[in-house]
Amino acid sequence: QKEVEQNSGPLSVPEGAIASLNCTYSDRGSQSFFWYRQYSGKSPELIMFIYSNGDKEDGRFTAQLNKASQYVSLLIRDSQPSDSATYLCAVHAGNMLTFGGGTRLMVKP
Amino acid sequence: KAGVTQTPRYLIKTRGQQVTLSCSPISGHRSVSWYQQTPGQGLQFLFEYFSETQRNKGNFPGRFSGRQFSNSRSEMNVSTLELGDSALYLCASSFGSSTTTDTQYFGPGTRLTVL
Repeated sequence: QKEVEQNSGPLSVPEGAIASLNCTYSDRGSQSFFWYRQYSGKSPELIMFIYSNGDKEDGRFTAQLNKASQYVSLLIRDSQPSDSATYLCAVHAGNMLTFGGGTRLMVKP
Repeated sequence: KAGVTQTPRYLIKTRGQQVTLSCSPISGHRSVSWYQQTPGQGLQFLFEYFSETQRNKGNFPGRFSGRQFSNSRSEMNVSTLELGDSALYLCASSFGSSTTTDTQYFGPGTRLTVL
């Protein structure tokens, strides 16, 4: 069974700090990896995706992928209270997207 | 470009009834995936439709079914509702290609409450 694992949190960081969110996956055939943000009571919204080993930056967000270790992470620089949400890691393999349980991030002013 | 739309947004049903939810994908998207989200189980995949055919299916009982129309709009049906079916039902659309960058975009969801 394909699994995607995330620490449920909550991960608490002070405003302005770097938040680091981690995700591991079991299927070595996974091709691409997505990070979604979900505010309470809302639907998930795409932050970014990555499919090559290494780092990918988009504004304050950096996704990191290590396929050998089956590990993907999301760094949020200069965290703001508005970043407080649940972050979902999703892994794409064989036309299917499998989601982790999400990590709840709390950014304290 | 308009986003994914879902109707209705909220629904209250009683046990034993059936319900139909609707999803209209982003223009040009041919794939529609359905998910169930509950606090305890997280986001769970129900099924995916591409070009009017079910292409993938998750581990849900046969009470959960779906279909897709020629305009890519999709409906999901749940028969003989149970209390445990209370959840947020999300649909997501994408182009449905096999490329690694095929990205799913979510609709606002339908909040189903079963009494």
